[in-house]
Amino acid sequence: DQQVKQNSPSLSVQEGRISILNCDYTNSMFDYFLWYKKYPAEGPTFLISISSIKDKNEDGRFTVFLNKSAKHLSLHIVPSQPGDSAVYFCAARGSGNTPLVFGKGTRLSVIA
Amino acid sequence: DAGVIQSPRHEVTEMGQEVTLRCKPISGHNSLFWYRQTMMRGLELLIYFNNNVPIDDSGMPEDRFSAKMPNASFSTLKIQPSEPRDSAVYFCASSAGVSSYNSPLHFGNGTRLTVT
Repeated sequence: DQQVKQNSPSLSVQEGRISILNCDYTNSMFDYFLWYKKYPAEGPTFLISISSIKDKNEDGRFTVFLNKSAKHLSLHIVPSQPGDSAVYFCAARGSGNTPLVFGKGTRLSVIA
Repeated sequence: DAGVIQSPRHEVTEMGQEVTLRCKPISGHNSLFWYRQTMMRGLELLIYFNNNVPIDDSGMPEDRFSAKMPNASFSTLKIQPSEPRDSAVYFCASSAGVSSYNSPLHFGNGTRLTVT
């Protein structure tokens, strides 16, 4: 039973446009959410995070939005660049001292 | 900071053979995690350690899988005997704390295992 779901396996976006990656979760006890980015032949690297007490966190071209009532978060990349082409993993942390739970990932392709 | 170091980067072995994957976490990190990435399941947590002690191994698929952390700077994941369905990329990750709240999880570059 997947607690963190990324329902789009892949997404293609033109360079300069907005990329929106979506993530849904089922566990209402999750209180901290992260996005990781993964290039081929490398491990995932931390990109941006958001606490459940916020609904938006911005870092340069990357913004994460959290809608707790819908148990949904999204990652916006504006403007998208070819170097953003990677697999993006959504992750969540439950209450207490528990490890992160990851989604299956979404492969983003930014086309020049 | 050398990051999390995994070896080997690639492993090709025949069904039935023993496979040992190795990991050196970031110095000072007290939590270590083993993940497996497949197309079907994405990133699955297999087992994690806190202060060298295994905390939760419920993600280990079968008794053929075992993991050890003899000291703070080294961990192994062993598969014996290996099967073709074990083919995947195995990641080791470390952080300063299990929940990664104040210290994001740092991943190694993974070991791509192919069992023929």
